[in-house]
Amino acid sequence: EPEVTQTPSHQVTQMGQEVILRCVPISNHLYFYWYRQILGQKVEFLVSFYNNEISEKSEIFDDQFSVERPDGSNFTLKIRSTKLEDSAMYFCASSLQGGGEKLFFGSGTQLSVL
Amino acid sequence: SQQGEEDPQALSIQEGENATMNCSYKTSINNLQWYRQNSGRGLVHLILIRSNEREKHSGRLRVTLDTSKKSSSLLITASRAADTASYFCAVYNQGGKLIFGQGTELSVKP
Repeated sequence: EPEVTQTPSHQVTQMGQEVILRCVPISNHLYFYWYRQILGQKVEFLVSFYNNEISEKSEIFDDQFSVERPDGSNFTLKIRSTKLEDSAMYFCASSLQGGGEKLFFGSGTQLSVL
Repeated sequence: SQQGEEDPQALSIQEGENATMNCSYKTSINNLQWYRQNSGRGLVHLILIRSNEREKHSGRLRVTLDTSKKSSSLLITASRAADTASYFCAVYNQGGKLIFGQGTELSVKP
């Protein structure tokens, strides 16, 4: 069964450093998402992306965050200058259709900011 | 907030028993979805119920939706130890976002 893959599974970085989290969505999917989950808390929406544009973003997704689909397969989340509070599990998801159809999630990247 | 809120936060049952989890939300929705998350893993979609549906079944799962009460329930029948996981409801609204609740942590003891 096709799946969303995320790399790396765990990223450790120093505060103030830039990180790029990588995702390969399911190949025929058109809609892409990033969510994050701070340990023990709920899964929070960050951003949705369609047709090479951001469709929606949350208040968490400030100027420190950016997303890109650099080629036909990858979807990346960049955090320019990481803060301690950015430590979380980051999940990428994709869907074939928009409009709130079911999302397929990757296994996540655990980001630890020291 | 329009996000779903699950109840209870934690549920512990014996294998073979049924597990019922509830979700409430605040705004009008297009659909409501339930996801499962095993510890440290990604979320897996279980079932989607649209705003014009009242009940839906998938295997041992039964979901109901009451839009007048802005609530949904997920019933897992004949639970197994492998059902141990966190269960989240998520609501999609016209804003274009799928928003998750806090989740119910289900523990099924063998």
